[in-house]
Amino acid sequence: QSALTQPRSVSGSPGQSITISCTGTSSDVGGYNYVSWYQQHPGKAPKLIIYDVTKRPSGVPDRFSGSKSGNTASLTISGLQADDETDYYCCSFAGSHPPWVFGGGTKVTVL
Amino acid sequence: EVQLVESGGGLVQPGGSLRLSCAASGFTLSRYWMHWVRQAPGKGLEWVASVKPDGSEQDYVDSVKGRFTVSRDNAKNSQYLQMTSLRDEDTAVYFCVKDSGNWAFDSWGQGALATVSS
Repeated sequence: QSALTQPRSVSGSPGQSITISCTGTSSDVGGYNYVSWYQQHPGKAPKLIIYDVTKRPSGVPDRFSGSKSGNTASLTISGLQADDETDYYCCSFAGSHPPWVFGGGTKVTVL
Repeated sequence: EVQLVESGGGLVQPGGSLRLSCAASGFTLSRYWMHWVRQAPGKGLEWVASVKPDGSEQDYVDSVKGRFTVSRDNAKNSQYLQMTSLRDEDTAVYFCVKDSGNWAFDSWGQGALATVSS
């Protein structure tokens, strides 16, 4: 069982917006503004798409955005595209033991 | 361009050992925490271990404490994961990961597969 809870799957039509939730506790998501999100295509390494809850690394489209309320963080993908169909993982700093916790992953399907 | 290249994966029997290496380039290794993150077949990501920029501190997930050792050689631009007393549940792709300096993992290697099976 993963430390952070994500829905196993989310789907949407091209051009629509979808939101993936990531629920933790006050010891991780709720306690730090250090939530990050990763996109992973099959057989590939994960790619950082959001860090510090809301920030995007250079080169990541602004269709990807992050937010947090209490113990739940969210990733929103706007203007859904076919290439967005893959797995997404949230991660939070948790202080110590373990210092980093991941969500179980969400498979995004573009209908 | 940051590059992380893992090597050393393979098939090992339960109770055996493997040493993973990660060759880093494109950045100054000595400035960053480095990590290992693993992914069991068909499963999610799990943080395994971290090592401080100067190698003086390490941290591990409870399930590998006492069995795995993370280390680094900044002069050789490399980090390592020595894995001993391997168990079936250690079977996974192990990713070498660079810390962003902003509490995230900003660069990942392609991964090295470690298979523990009799």
